[in-house]
Amino acid sequence: SQQGEEDPQALSIQEGENATMNCSYKTSINNLQWYRQNSGRGLVHLILIRSNEREKHSGRLRVTLDTSKKSSSLLITASRAADTASYFCGPQTSGSRLTFGEGTQLTVNP
Amino acid sequence: DTEVTQTPKHLVMGMTNKKSLKCEQHMGHRAMYWYKQKAKKPPELMFVYSYEKLSINESVPSRFSPECPNSSLLNLHLHALQPEDSALYLCASSQPRRTNEKLFFGSGTQLSVL
Repeated sequence: SQQGEEDPQALSIQEGENATMNCSYKTSINNLQWYRQNSGRGLVHLILIRSNEREKHSGRLRVTLDTSKKSSSLLITASRAADTASYFCGPQTSGSRLTFGEGTQLTVNP
Repeated sequence: DTEVTQTPKHLVMGMTNKKSLKCEQHMGHRAMYWYKQKAKKPPELMFVYSYEKLSINESVPSRFSPECPNSSLLNLHLHALQPEDSALYLCASSQPRRTNEKLFFGSGTQLSVL
């Protein structure tokens, strides 16, 4: 299995602004998943993008995948205080188990 | 029901105690996982059960003993833990596909070892 590397490690924005966080990985993947974790809680699956997809939307979330650069980005539009959380990416290769990078800690200030 | 339920939510134990963490899901998932997460760090995979059989043990010390009594339940038995084992223990489940396995996580057990 491989883990992604999220960037930046921490991001602080004002409510209503957009938040962008990035994930890089090293080897070819079948899919890449993004998860959110509120402090002291479990992870919540946000979105899965397959290797043959370039962009995917879910509500205020937009995920892109560039397999040539081995990178993905997660955009949260019109952020809210409730979006404050840690965000983890999980690149997944065939038959491998999901592992996570250090994550991006997003703080949305009211 | 899309929930993974973990009990207890909090646990304090001494180094000589024996305790168990429990995890339950009723989504029909046949893969279940234990992760360990230290503060401000990502979850680290400990064990994976697939169809009630242990398929992955990430070199976890024997003081952690997993058990999968049936397809809905996963236990983690703890014995002679060390203070450095204090962490958030997360259970997760999924359908055991080779790819595109979306994980459903419980809220975790916050463990403190004194």
